[in-house]
Amino acid sequence: AQRVTQPEKLLSVFKGAPVELKCNYSYSGSPELFWYVQYSRQRLQLLLRHISRESIKGFTADLNKGETSFHLKKPFAQEEDSAMYYCALSGDFNKFYFGSGTKLNVKP
Amino acid sequence: NAGVTQTPKFQVLKTGQSMTLQCAQDMNHEYMSWYRQDPGMGLRLIHYSVGAGITDQGEVPNGYNVSRSTTEDFPLRLLSAAPSQTSVYFCASRGSGLYEQYFGPGTRLTVT
Repeated sequence: AQRVTQPEKLLSVFKGAPVELKCNYSYSGSPELFWYVQYSRQRLQLLLRHISRESIKGFTADLNKGETSFHLKKPFAQEEDSAMYYCALSGDFNKFYFGSGTKLNVKP
Repeated sequence: NAGVTQTPKFQVLKTGQSMTLQCAQDMNHEYMSWYRQDPGMGLRLIHYSVGAGITDQGEVPNGYNVSRSTTEDFPLRLLSAAPSQTSVYFCASRGSGLYEQYFGPGTRLTVT
């Protein structure tokens, strides 16, 4: 069965500290992995996609097929990074499966 | 461009009532979808559509109907509301050949 697990409901770090939001998945096949973000009073929006291998707002995510993980990382957190982060996967771009989300709180 | 719009923003229903949640997009996207978000559970796909006249079930379709008569609109119907359908509902769209979903602002539904 397809599943996306985000083990941390809340992650609090100080400004300038490294941050890692964990995401583990189970899927029978080779899925596409995504990170979506929802800032306060804004809509859910795509942050990055694994196949792009790009860095968005300083965030990167590496797909580890052996560990079935897709953790989101940023070396130096900023206060404006405070938001809800959702990991998601899709095998066919029609059915998407989302994790339960991690709330990142960056303290000044 | 308004993007993806949803109406209403809030709704309270009594058990057994019916209603339609509206979703519209002005980006000429072929793919549209409906999700529900419950506390601690993330977003779960209810139904999706890959074009006008084509719909399919997602992860949690029971109790919901959809139709897609135009590219722009993708309404979600609750025929007989139940308290278990209390949730926040999100509509999303995606262009053909693209991977990014664009989400609406959500509808908060309470069924008493």
